[in-house]
Amino acid sequence: EPEVTQTPSHQVTQMGQEVILRCVPISNHLYFYWYRQILGQKVEFLVSFYNNEISEKSEIFDDQFSVERPDGSNFTLKIRSTKLEDSAMYFCASRRGTGRNEKLFFGSGTQLSVL
Amino acid sequence: AQTVTQSQPEMSVQEAETVTLSCTYDTSENNYYLFWYKQPPSRQMILVIRQEAYKQQNATENRFSVNFQKAAKSFSLKISDSQLGDTAMYFCAFKSNFGNEKLTFGTGTRLTIIP
Repeated sequence: EPEVTQTPSHQVTQMGQEVILRCVPISNHLYFYWYRQILGQKVEFLVSFYNNEISEKSEIFDDQFSVERPDGSNFTLKIRSTKLEDSAMYFCASRRGTGRNEKLFFGSGTQLSVL
Repeated sequence: AQTVTQSQPEMSVQEAETVTLSCTYDTSENNYYLFWYKQPPSRQMILVIRQEAYKQQNATENRFSVNFQKAAKSFSLKISDSQLGDTAMYFCAFKSNFGNEKLTFGTGTRLTIIP
């Protein structure tokens, strides 16, 4: 089965630093998402992206966050100035379309630790 | 806004037994989708089963089945003949049928299968 690939699997950064989390969605997918999961808590939606623009974002996705699809294969999440509370597992997901039977595929996640 | 509630933080069951995980949700919509995702220790999110609200028939996938009670807004997952590999966090999730593509997750149930 095709996979969504996320790199790195773990990232440690200092508070205030910028981080970029990388995702390679499945090649024929058009809809892309970022979710996050703070340890011990539920998975939360951050942002959805289609046709090179954000289609929806949550309250969590403030001005410190941005997403980009720079080269037609990668889908990145940038946090400009990390805070301690940004420590979480970040999941990328993609789907081919929005039809009734379209399945959402998740990556294995990037564990971000902000010190 | 939709909410998803999983009232069982942890459950355990002997191998080969049957276990049922509970999920309730709140929405004013009539058409929507419900999902159960499995998150093993690797932390990847794996789709277990999905249900479309307009379908009265309960979804089944091999040993996994759901009991969808639309009027009660209940969506429980039954795992039959449980196996050690079923040990994981299980998340119930809701998706609206209206435009937005985000999933709203519950807080999860940690299921342990005891050998």
